[in-house]
Amino acid sequence: EAQVTQNPRYLITVTGKKLTVTCSQNMNHEYMSWYRQDPGLGLRQIYYSMNVEVTDKGDVPEGYKVSRKEKRNFPLILESPSPNQTSLYFCASSSDRGGSPLHFGNGTRLTVT
Amino acid sequence: SQKIEQNSEALNIQEGKTATLTCNYTNYSPAYLQWYRQDPGRGPVFLLLIRENEKEKRKERLKVTFDTTLKQSLFHITASQPADSATYLCAPSPRGSQGNLIFGKGTKLSVKP
Repeated sequence: EAQVTQNPRYLITVTGKKLTVTCSQNMNHEYMSWYRQDPGLGLRQIYYSMNVEVTDKGDVPEGYKVSRKEKRNFPLILESPSPNQTSLYFCASSSDRGGSPLHFGNGTRLTVT
Repeated sequence: SQKIEQNSEALNIQEGKTATLTCNYTNYSPAYLQWYRQDPGRGPVFLLLIRENEKEKRKERLKVTFDTTLKQSLFHITASQPADSATYLCAPSPRGSQGNLIFGKGTKLSVKP
């Protein structure tokens, strides 16, 4: 089954404790992206990747890192999480560069205390 | 800067009626426009894509229009059902590259029996 898998689904952590949210897709997609979703603010793009070893900032990259060492994986790293990073995070992928539908994961709900 | 506005945060209609959602964009010229459905706590799911040279696209009870002069897309659900209740997001896609794909904040549709 074609899917985007994020882990974990829920995560509660404390300020400053490094964490990684994993994202993997089994569709051989070139494009992958991370979004965060907050009430009243909608989906905001954090980082995206057009292909292996190619990443770029979205609208809200501060406090986040990503890497794309393999085509299927696109982990999101929070080196020193803060409470304002409490949010619902989504990973997405698509097959080419323009206009292809995005396939989203089921989300990771992160709480930073 | 690029801006997307969806007509209202919430839309309440009666079962059987046609729901019409609006997406307006400014400061760019998308080659495509995508519509997604999102249920609470879940990732968005792709519904329809319309290209700039298409005036209208249909899929079952769904219809999308794209007016590049008005910089607007309309999303219609005919014969609406309570199961159509969800948040609907529009995403005008930039030319040539998925790149920094921006979503509107969404319209929450409630269909009452």
